[in-house]
Parts: sequence; C-alpha cells; structure tokens
Amino acid sequence: SQTIHQWPATLVQPVGSPLSLECTVEGTSNPNLYWYRQAAGRGLQLLFYSVGIGQISSEVPQNLSASRPQDRQFILSSKKLLLSDSGFYLCAWSGTSGSRGNEQFFGPGTRLTVL
Amino acid sequence: AQSVTQPDIHITVSEGASLELRCNYSYGATPYLFWYVQSPGQGLQLLLKYFSGDTLVQGIKGFEAEFKRSQSSFNLRKPSVHWSDAAEYFCAVGGAGTASKLTFGTGTRLQVTL
Repeated sequence: SQTIHQWPATLVQPVGSPLSLECTVEGTSNPNLYWYRQAAGRGLQLLFYSVGIGQISSEVPQNLSASRPQDRQFILSSKKLLLSDSGFYLCAWSGTSGSRGNEQFFGPGTRLTVL
Repeated sequence: AQSVTQPDIHITVSEGASLELRCNYSYGATPYLFWYVQSPGQGLQLLLKYFSGDTLVQGIKGFEAEFKRSQSSFNLRKPSVHWSDAAEYFCAVGGAGTASKLTFGTGTRLQVTL
C-alpha cells in the first residue's frame, strides 16, 4: 500500500532563516506531487506541483520554492522566511493514470511557525 | 477558472441528528468532485468522490453525497452524526488530465454536541 511521509511535524523558525520541508511517498512510482499551504479559515492553497523529477510548476509567486530530486521525494524550501509563511503545509500525491489520476492523498502535514 | 464555495463556515449538530454540508462548484467541463475530512492537526482523508455515473455516491464512515449538475452542487450528507464526526470538511473540484489540480473550498467546521 502507498504511504506518504512529511517531516518535520512541527517547526518554529525565526524570520529570515532558511526552510526545508521534506515529503516522501512509498509504494508507488512516478506519482504527481503537490505542496499546499493551509492558513486558518482559508482552505488549501496549492503552491507547487510536479509531474516528474525536476519538473516543478508554481501556482503562486511567493517566497518559497520546490524541488523534486528523486521520483518520490518533494522538497519545499525558502532562503529567508517571512512571518506570512507561517501555516500548515501539506504534501499530497496522485496517480498518473485512470480514475486515480485525479484523487489526491495527503500526508500528515507540517506546522510551521515563523516568529 | 474553477472554484468551490462552502457557504457554511461552522455548523453545530446534535449527536444522532442528520447532517448536510453544502458545496457549490464552478467548472467549465465535467467536474471530478471530492469531499475530504480533516481532524485537528492532521492531514486530509478522502471521504468520497464523484467521477461519473450514479449521481449519489457512497463514501466511508456512512457519508454520502449527491451530484446535481443543474444546481452545480455536491452536498455531503449523513443520516446520523456521531461525536467522532467532529472535524473540518472540505469540498474540492478538479478535472481530467495527467496533473489534475484540485481547487478546494474554505471548509466547514462541524461541531457535534452530545
């Protein structure tokens, strides 16, 4: 069965510090991968998605970047955090064929607080 | 552009009562529709999905949803709510395609009173 991991679970960082959040998927190959941010009362905002290694699409211009160095690894980064980067970050994966190509499965999330 | 509206930010129901959470969507083609549930501090879990066929879909935990194309709605229902159903519920819409992106509503927080 497929599983998705995110770490760290929680993170408190000062403004201006760098960020690296990691997401890995097990039990599937060539998944589509997604990064979302969830702010209180705002639902989920899609930040980045990837259909393959090294292929990243950005949805919203911002202080963050994403990379996919391996098939099942997706990393969210920032060189200098802003207060507005605080939130709950969710990674998700989906298949690439058939009906499951649209169904997304979510990781447990990372709570980021920027002080 | 696709969009999802969940008009109810917060709903309170008594345990054992019926539940209906509203979802309206905007999508230019045949939509794929989803309901997810999120417990505090957790990721999202898929409750049910609609791709095609029967417009009444059954999901996990006793939930069901009905797709009404004429009303652009996909409301979630449960005949009898349990205290463990207290959570936040998100409706989402997407389309076909290799990298289909989902657009989520802002969520409805469900509180269950005993």
